[in-house]
Amino acid sequence: GAVVSQHPSRVICKSGTSVKIECRSLDFQATTMFWYRQFPKQSLMLMATSNEGSKATYEQGVEKDKFLINHASLTLSTLTVTSAHPEDSSFYICSARDGQDTEAFFGQGTRLTVV
Amino acid sequence: AQTVTQSQPEMSVQEAETVTLSCTYDTSESDYYLFWYKQPPSRQMILVIRQEAYKQQNATENRFSVNFQKAAKSFSLKISDSQLGDAAMYFCAYRGDSNYQLIWGAGTKLIIKP
Repeated sequence: GAVVSQHPSRVICKSGTSVKIECRSLDFQATTMFWYRQFPKQSLMLMATSNEGSKATYEQGVEKDKFLINHASLTLSTLTVTSAHPEDSSFYICSARDGQDTEAFFGQGTRLTVV
Repeated sequence: AQTVTQSQPEMSVQEAETVTLSCTYDTSESDYYLFWYKQPPSRQMILVIRQEAYKQQNATENRFSVNFQKAAKSFSLKISDSQLGDAAMYFCAYRGDSNYQLIWGAGTKLIIKP
C-alpha cells in the first residue's frame, strides 16, 4: 500500500508557542488530506479536510485560526497548532488519498504534549 | 447524516479461537464503502478489510472476513484463529461514494487471552 509519513512522532512544546506537524505522501500524489485528533480511548475526530492548492475545510467547532492547515503541494500538508495550550495536548493523525483509490492511507500520528 | 455504531466497547477471546466484532451503520445512500481498521498500541491505523456496498460477496482477507448485510445495515468482522498480535482497537468506518470523509465508530478493544 501507499506510504504516508508523519513527522514528528512526538513533540513537547511550551504553552504559548506554535508547533508544526508535517504529513507527506511518499509514493503517490495526495489530492486530499485529512487531519484528525484522537483523545485517549476514543475514536478519531475529523478536524479538517484539505485539497491541494485550496483552503482547508474545517469541521464545526474546530478553530481555523488555531489549527492552521496548509496543503501547498500534492505530497505535503502541514498542521500548525498556534499558541498551544495544555488542552491542545492530544494525538494528531493525518491521512491522505489520491484521486483514484478508495481508501485513505494514514500517517503514524503525532503525540503533542503542551507543558 | 450517516452514523456508525459499534456496541461492544471491549471483547476478549482465547488465542486460536474465533471472535466477531459488530458494527451497524445508518445511511440513505445506495453506494458506499465500509472499512475495518486496526489500531495497535503503536496507534498506527492499519486497514484490515474493506467492502464495497455494490458487491454482494463478503470480503475476506486471510483470517479476517466480514458479514455484510446491506438490508440490515450491518457489517461485522470475524477474526479466525485469533493471534496475540490481533490485540488492538478495531474501528468500523463508512465512506459515501461521493464524499471522501470517513465516518467512524467508537471502536472495540480486542483482548487476546494466551
